[in-house]
Amino acid sequence: AQRVTQPEKLLSVFKGAPVELKCNYSYSGSPELFWYVQYSRQRLQLLLRHISRESIKGFTADLNKGETSFHLKKPFAQEEDSAMYYCALQEAGNMLTFGGGTRLMVKP
Amino acid sequence: KAGVTQTPRYLIKTRGQQVTLSCSPISGHRSVSWYQQTPGQGLQFLFEYFSETQRNKGNFPGRFSGRQFSNSRSEMNVSTLELGDSALYLCASRRSGEYTGELFFGEGSRLTVL
Repeated sequence: AQRVTQPEKLLSVFKGAPVELKCNYSYSGSPELFWYVQYSRQRLQLLLRHISRESIKGFTADLNKGETSFHLKKPFAQEEDSAMYYCALQEAGNMLTFGGGTRLMVKP
Repeated sequence: KAGVTQTPRYLIKTRGQQVTLSCSPISGHRSVSWYQQTPGQGLQFLFEYFSETQRNKGNFPGRFSGRQFSNSRSEMNVSTLELGDSALYLCASRRSGEYTGELFFGEGSRLTVL
């Protein structure tokens, strides 16, 4: 059963527009959730984790246990935000499970 | 600190052959995991090693195997290659053995099976 779902394979927005990349998960325990990002020709890297409650490069993500969601948001998209974004679930005693990824394209 | 290093970066094999990929984790990192990345399936977990022991294994056939050495370097092997094994194979290391914290990824080994 797919534990992490990213419903959009591609999201295209204009520069300055708000962005929301959706992530839904399926897990009965207390999840740890992450967003990883892969910029063109760069390694996959951690963007942010829910337990840190931090904002990285203007991105935030709130864990909603009721809706089992961990959507990634940014109020004003920049061209440099164009990348592949992966939501990931850390299950207790197990490795990270990644969603299918969403390609974000920010048009000038 | 050098990042996670994977070799070779690119390779082409034919069906039925076998391949060995290598991963050197960040110095001091003892956990190494492997993922297969394809356009259709995304990132799928293969296996994870910690202190030379396989701790977790994903849902892949027995043709996929791996090991870890005492210096934490890891190798994965795929035998009897199939066309569907064409993918980017990513290695990631983690500082501790605990299932928390950041995974640091290598650039990957891109395998093409003809």
